[in-house]
Amino acid sequence: QKEVEQNSGPLSVPEGAIASLNCTYSDRGSQSFFWYRQYSGKSPELIMFIYSNGDKEDGRFTAQLNKASQYVSLLIRDSQPSDSATYLCAGTPASNTGKLIFGQGTTLQVKP
Amino acid sequence: EAEVAQSPRYKITEKSQAVAFWCDPISGHATLYWYRQILGQGPELLVQFQDESVVDDSQLPKDRFSAERLKGVDSTLKIQPAELGDSAMYLCASSSDRAEQFFGPGTRLTVL
Repeated sequence: QKEVEQNSGPLSVPEGAIASLNCTYSDRGSQSFFWYRQYSGKSPELIMFIYSNGDKEDGRFTAQLNKASQYVSLLIRDSQPSDSATYLCAGTPASNTGKLIFGQGTTLQVKP
Repeated sequence: EAEVAQSPRYKITEKSQAVAFWCDPISGHATLYWYRQILGQGPELLVQFQDESVVDDSQLPKDRFSAERLKGVDSTLKIQPAELGDSAMYLCASSSDRAEQFFGPGTRLTVL
């Protein structure tokens, strides 16, 4: 079992819709979670992070964390074609809170 | 805006040759990370430095890979000898408080 798992997709949504990206993790001691966006051939770009159970909103993005279910999600409202990219979920293991364990990423396609 | 610098951006080499990558983190960032990202997968941590000390190198193939950060600022990752399976994107990241990590543009390595 991978420590951080994502559905590789692709997830296809129409422009203006809500895109929902999901991630599960196996280390119950993980405290912090990060969402990165990666365009093809480019490096990961930090979108947002979440430490506490519940929702965290930043513009069109909302991160959700449920530690009891070991589940993290990212919602993108009013999806735009420019949001088409791979979204990487990462968590910090209890053994090393400075380290990131990444999932394989979910490819999002937003169709005009 | 401060950025992580990496060079070269692209490197093509033949197997059994030596290659080296350089990274200059964001000024003041004490923690520096080297990741390897194989196409279609998430980044995998190779080595983590806190200042000049190695914090985690558990996934670094030490028979052929080496990394150093002698003065606690910039860092070099070396592969000798390179193998076909080393073809990947090598990413450097830095953080100020072992929390949010910011990535450089990466070095795309192709081993022929």
